[in-house]
Amino acid sequence: AQKITQTQPGMFVQEKEAVTLDCTYDTSDPSYGLFWYKQPSSGEMIFLIYQGSYDQQNATEGRYSLNFQKARKSANLVISASQLGDSAMYFCAMREGNNAGNMLTFGGGTRLMVKP
Amino acid sequence: GAVVSQHPSWVICKSGTSVKIECRSLDFQATTMFWYRQFPKQSLMLMATSNEGSKATYEQGVEKDKFLINHASLTLSTLTVTSAHPEDSSFYICSARVALAGVPHEQYFGPGTRLTVT
Repeated sequence: AQKITQTQPGMFVQEKEAVTLDCTYDTSDPSYGLFWYKQPSSGEMIFLIYQGSYDQQNATEGRYSLNFQKARKSANLVISASQLGDSAMYFCAMREGNNAGNMLTFGGGTRLMVKP
Repeated sequence: GAVVSQHPSWVICKSGTSVKIECRSLDFQATTMFWYRQFPKQSLMLMATSNEGSKATYEQGVEKDKFLINHASLTLSTLTVTSAHPEDSSFYICSARVALAGVPHEQYFGPGTRLTVT
């Protein structure tokens, strides 16, 4: 079974509008971390936001927020006030367990295209 | 912030030759480095986990004799693609673990190396 699922292969959003990128995960480990990365066409992986399984509040980082619904095992990324520079691939990832040396498992990604 | 570099950023080689890719943590010591492969329009797939001074742990389906990983120091890990074939053409990305207390996003990624085997 897929551990990380991103059901939207591609998304369009109008500049200055908000957009939600979906991510669902599957784990039996009570301790885990969820990550979102942005990958522009240059290929580098840019860390955006992190949510720990025990965190009580949804994570926020500037225009990025994570809608964490633990019971539904979803960790959607919300980008507010989209900008043209937000056009990129976005990957959701999960690390199971507490060990920082544990591997990340990535979802299939969502390509976001921001329209002017 | 933590910076990870990769060299080369792109390489073209002939089938049957070997290619070495370097991953360096520039301003921190990385006890663990990860190597990923990404085919066009696909996600990142972990190839191996590399710990300084010990043998790398390879993911299922990854040939350890073909993808040689050496993590000789706390700032350098290398991936050597031996006897490369066109199907090895891919984007190879490394990440390094930052051992900083209280920092949950411990993995920082290098910029990637695009390998093309002709």
